[in-house]
Parts: sequence; structure tokens; C-alpha cells
Amino acid sequence: GIQVEQSPPDLILQEGANSTLRCNFSDSVNNLQWFHQNPWGQLINLFYIPSGTKQNGRLSATTVATERYSLLYISSSQTTDSGVYFCAVARTNAGKSTFGDGTTLTVKP
Amino acid sequence: SAVISQKPSRDICQRGTSLTIQCQVDSQVTMMFWYRQQPGQSLTLIATANQGSEATYESGFVIDKFPISRPNLTFSTLTVSNMSPEDSSIYLCSAWAGEGYNEQFFGPGTRLTVL
Repeated sequence: GIQVEQSPPDLILQEGANSTLRCNFSDSVNNLQWFHQNPWGQLINLFYIPSGTKQNGRLSATTVATERYSLLYISSSQTTDSGVYFCAVARTNAGKSTFGDGTTLTVKP
Repeated sequence: SAVISQKPSRDICQRGTSLTIQCQVDSQVTMMFWYRQQPGQSLTLIATANQGSEATYESGFVIDKFPISRPNLTFSTLTVSNMSPEDSSIYLCSAWAGEGYNEQFFGPGTRLTVL
């Protein structure tokens, strides 16, 4: 199956700092998503981004499919950004997805 | 998008008992997925549930332990049978929606503790 590696595993920031989270995957995929799992366990969809760049407020993401990696950028971090960020990939839409181990982000006031 | 609800949100159960988790999607979907998230871990797919057929289980998961029902296109149940403390996890239900079914959505999860 496809292997998904996320880095760093843990990240501690001061409020207002910027960060970059990385997701490497081992094979070609047609679907890649970023999720934020909040402290209550809810998974929140951030981006569907199999290729290219997208931005949504302080968050943006870039996927370079040919090199099999994706980056999630968080700018001007806030304490509410704390939680676990997961990258998930699938060979096809509506298929089985494989999750990375996640990056645990802690933003301190 | 898809709105997915789960019941119960959490439960504390005794060893050897069973718990059935319900999942409801606000639109008709062909496949529904059940995941387990053990404490401090990532999500692991348990099985894929198709309406009108047997669920397809991933390696390491068996029907006797995790029986699944899929009576219609908006509803599914997962039963965790003969529970042990190692079954303490968050169980999440999922379905794909959006343009071209390109986004996967998750329910809020069921937080299970087995004593």
C-alpha cells in the first residue's frame, strides 16, 4: 500500500509565528487532503489538493504531485490552531484513503 | 459537503460486552467507511461498507469482532464485540462527498473506553 510520512511529528510555536508541515507519499495518488483534528477529536477538512496551490485565510497548501509531497503553511498562528494535522491520500476519489501519522501542533499564547 | 452524525458520542463499557455505534449521513452515499483511532495514533481503516453487500475488511480486522450493517444508503452500524481494554479508541465513520466525490468527511467520532 501507499506509505505516507508527515514531518515534523511535533511542533511548538508562539502565537503569531509561521510554520510549514510536510507530507511525503510513496506512490502516485489522485486524491490528497489535509485535515485538522481539534482537541475534541473532530476532523475538519482543510484542503483537497491533489496538485497545485490553494489558500484559505491564514492557511495555504501546495502539492507537487510529480515529486510526491505536499506542504501545509500556517501563518500568524493562533492558539485555536492547536491540534493534530493529518495528510491523507487515496489512489482514487471515493476510495480507501491512507493517513499519515500526523503533526501535533501546539501554539502557546 | 456531507454532514455525518454518530451515536453514542462516548461510552464506558465493561470487558466482554458489545457496543453498537450508529452512523447517519445527510445524503445518499454508495460507500461508508469505518476507522479506528487508538490513543495518540493515526486513523486506521477497519472496513468499507457497501449497501446491499457484505462489508470489506482490512487486514487485521475480522467480521466476528467488528460486524457491520448497511441497511440503506444513508445509515450504517459498527459493533465492537467481546470488548477488551485494547479496544479503547475513537471510532469514526466516514463518507465521500463534494464535486466528483473528491472530499472525505468524518463524523464526530465515538470515544470508547473499555474497563
